[in-house]
Amino acid sequence: AQSVTQPDIHITVSEGASLELRCNYSYGATPYLFWYVQSPGQGLQLLLKYFSGDTLVQGIKGFEAEFKRSQSSFNLRKPSVHWSDAAEYFCAVGEEYGNKLVFGAGTILRVKS
Amino acid sequence: SQTIHQWPATLVQPVGSPLSLECTVEGTSNPNLYWYRQAAGRGLQLLFYSVGIGQISSEVPQNLSASRPQDRQFILSSKKLLLSDSGFYLCAWSVPPRLSMTYEQYFGPGTRLTVT
Repeated sequence: AQSVTQPDIHITVSEGASLELRCNYSYGATPYLFWYVQSPGQGLQLLLKYFSGDTLVQGIKGFEAEFKRSQSSFNLRKPSVHWSDAAEYFCAVGEEYGNKLVFGAGTILRVKS
Repeated sequence: SQTIHQWPATLVQPVGSPLSLECTVEGTSNPNLYWYRQAAGRGLQLLFYSVGIGQISSEVPQNLSASRPQDRQFILSSKKLLLSDSGFYLCAWSVPPRLSMTYEQYFGPGTRLTVT
């Protein structure tokens, strides 16, 4: 069965600094991969997705992620973090046949000024 | 464009009382529908999903049930709430896999349930 690991529960970065959130997945075939963001008390918003093609994908809000098959990773990056990026971030992989997503446990991002 | 609604936004219920949370989707037909729960600090737990009217798959045996009486309506229910049912409940929809290449899900705003 597929699984997703987000090894960092909390990350704190300074405003303006670069950000990388880690995600590792377990899946036999080419995965469908996603990053979502959740602000406190709100639903999840899709940041970006990968399903084929260019392994560097661009998303909303200046985020990007790189799919590395050899490392089974799909890390999320942003070159310069803004205070409004403080939220919880979830990585997910699409299950075979596509009816379900498997989510990681999430990473809480704190931004300090 | 598609929109997903959930209500109520917040709910405080005593232990042993019934529960009904509703989710509706606009602007799409035959969506897959999902109920998730977030307990404090514990990520997302898939509770139920549905691929069509009356078709419900349960992921976790528990005190809850789900129904899909109409194509774009998904209801989460309980006959008697437990303290452990407290959490943030999220509804989501997706285009069915046979029609989509990418399987992403779109989430509603959530319902905060506190069982006292």
